[in-house]
Amino acid sequence: DQQVKQNSPSLSVQEGRISILNCDYTNSMFDYFLWYKKYPAEGPTFLISISSIKDKNEDGRFTVFLNKSAKHLSLHIVPSQPGDSAVYFCALREGAGSYQLTFGKGTKLSVIP
Amino acid sequence: GAGVSQSPSNKVTEKGKDVELRCDPISGHTALYWYRQSLGQGLEFLIYFQGNSAPDKSGLPSDRFSAERTGGSVSTLTIQRTQQEDSAVYLCASSLNSNQPQHFGDGTRLSIL
Repeated sequence: DQQVKQNSPSLSVQEGRISILNCDYTNSMFDYFLWYKKYPAEGPTFLISISSIKDKNEDGRFTVFLNKSAKHLSLHIVPSQPGDSAVYFCALREGAGSYQLTFGKGTKLSVIP
Repeated sequence: GAGVSQSPSNKVTEKGKDVELRCDPISGHTALYWYRQSLGQGLEFLIYFQGNSAPDKSGLPSDRFSAERTGGSVSTLTIQRTQQEDSAVYLCASSLNSNQPQHFGDGTRLSIL
């Protein structure tokens, strides 16, 4: 049974609009949450993270929201740009001192010019 | 180098052969990780190194898989007697320590004929 789910395999958004990528999890022990972006034929690139003591973290056009009671994580990109087109993975860590990340299957974002 | 370097970038081999994949982590990063991504799947954890030691080998799928790390730097992942189900992209990541975000290489795409 998957502990981390990204239920939308793909998402298309018009340039300039907001992109919202979602991630749901079942294990309440996860305490650190990350988003990675992946272009074809490249490795994932770390984008932004949030710890369980916060509910929002912002970095430029990227904002990550954490709803612990709903076990839901989201990434907002605004305004979306064509260069944001990539596969986005959420990755979750279980417990302080843990090193292992559990990844979702990814959502492919296409930003249409 | 500036980032995590993996070689080869692509490897095609016949079933039953042994393969060796190499990872050069970011200089100074003590933690090193190997993952596997099969088609349409998320990243699957294989093994974690802290320095030259591998405290967690739990993700290795079978005893045909082994990994080592020398000098606290370069790591090699070896797959013996390859099978078709071993076909995947093998990704290496490193981090300053186990609590820091992981930085990925571009992976080795392994195809078993």
